[in-house]
Amino acid sequence: EPEVTQTPSHQVTQMGQEVILRCVPISNHLYFYWYRQILGQKVEFLVSFYNNEISEKSEIFDDQFSVERPDGSNFTLKIRSTKLEDSAMYFCASTHLAGNTEAFFGQGTRLTVV
Amino acid sequence: ILNVEQSPQSLHVQEGDSTNFTCSFPSSNFYALHWYRWETAKSPEALFVMTLNGDEKKKGRISATLNTKEGYSYLYIKGSQPEDSATYLCAFKVNQGGKLIFGQGTELSVKP
Repeated sequence: EPEVTQTPSHQVTQMGQEVILRCVPISNHLYFYWYRQILGQKVEFLVSFYNNEISEKSEIFDDQFSVERPDGSNFTLKIRSTKLEDSAMYFCASTHLAGNTEAFFGQGTRLTVV
Repeated sequence: ILNVEQSPQSLHVQEGDSTNFTCSFPSSNFYALHWYRWETAKSPEALFVMTLNGDEKKKGRISATLNTKEGYSYLYIKGSQPEDSATYLCAFKVNQGGKLIFGQGTELSVKP
């Protein structure tokens, strides 16, 4: 069964360092998302991406964040200068269509900023 | 601000018990309501996507109902099994391509 894969599963980084979280969405999907969950809080939306551009972003998704789909398969989230409060589980998701289709999630990358 | 609330936050039941939890969401600007099942160290897995007021959906022992006019959805599990132990998330969608707005989840623990 097709699945969304994320790497790495866990990343520890020092404050101020750049991190890139990688995702391989399901191959025929067209809409891509990043969400995150800070420990003890709700899963929150970061950004959606369609047709090679950002379609929506949250207030969290400031200039320190960027997304790319460099090669038609990978979908990456970059945090330029990590802060302690960026520590969270980051989830990638994809959907085949917009509308009332389920989103398929990866297993997440746990980012720890020290 | 669109807010989705789930209750209870956690639930401990015995194997064989039936259980239900609630998701409350804004009754305006409704597009869809999603239910996900999330086991530790695994991906959240979609259970249901619900769109029409009065919808009832069923998958095995799990079923869900939807009331868009009053802004709530119930998830029922009949005859809970230990393998049902997971966090159940509901998520609200306001438009076709839009983001999911999640509740805080209900953590279910089923003891043998």
